[in-house]
Amino acid sequence: AQSVAQPEDQVNVAEGNPLTVKCTYSVSGNPYLFWYVQYPNRGLQFLLKYITGDNLVKGSYGFEAEFNKSQTSFHLKKPSALVSDSALYFCAVRDEGTGRRALTFGSGTRLQVQP
Amino acid sequence: DTGVSQNPRHKITKRGQNVTFRCDPISEHNRLYWYRQTLGQGPEFLTYFQNEAQLEKSRLLSDRFSAERPKGSFSTLEIQRTEQGDSAMYLCASSPDETETQYFGPGTRLLVL
Repeated sequence: AQSVAQPEDQVNVAEGNPLTVKCTYSVSGNPYLFWYVQYPNRGLQFLLKYITGDNLVKGSYGFEAEFNKSQTSFHLKKPSALVSDSALYFCAVRDEGTGRRALTFGSGTRLQVQP
Repeated sequence: DTGVSQNPRHKITKRGQNVTFRCDPISEHNRLYWYRQTLGQGPEFLTYFQNEAQLEKSRLLSDRFSAERPKGSFSTLEIQRTEQGDSAMYLCASSPDETETQYFGPGTRLLVL
């Protein structure tokens, strides 16, 4: 079975400081990993993904994430946070080995960037 | 706008009524997905279509739920005999064959009274 854990319900950071939102996963095969952001009463917006290749993945709005196979992690990072980054962030995984297309999402981490 | 669209955006119904939601995927996206999201939780997978074929169904999709994609374009999700526990945001996503990325619509928020 595939699963995702986002250990922090909320992350608080001051504007201009670096931010990290944590994600760990569990799959039996190779992971396909995703980050999405959700603003209030809106659907999910795709930020970035890791399928294969470089462990450091760059995405939209200056976000990046690092795939770490030994630690089964895929943490989301940004060098300098903006107030407008305040939102709900979801990590998701698909186990490439199962052939199933369903994504399994974490419970989400609320990012609060203070001015 | 060429994103995924969902209608209606909001639906309030009484327990026991049937409701139907529609999803129009991004043009030429062969794959279509339905998820359900309750407050404070991440989306949970319901079902997946490739073209008109329904290839995956979650155990969450009880026999009161049915989804169709008759011509491989838009999809409908019907809930029969709604229960208060069905209150949630219903999200639709689509993706093309050549990429893993699922693009989500704005969702339909259902409230069952």
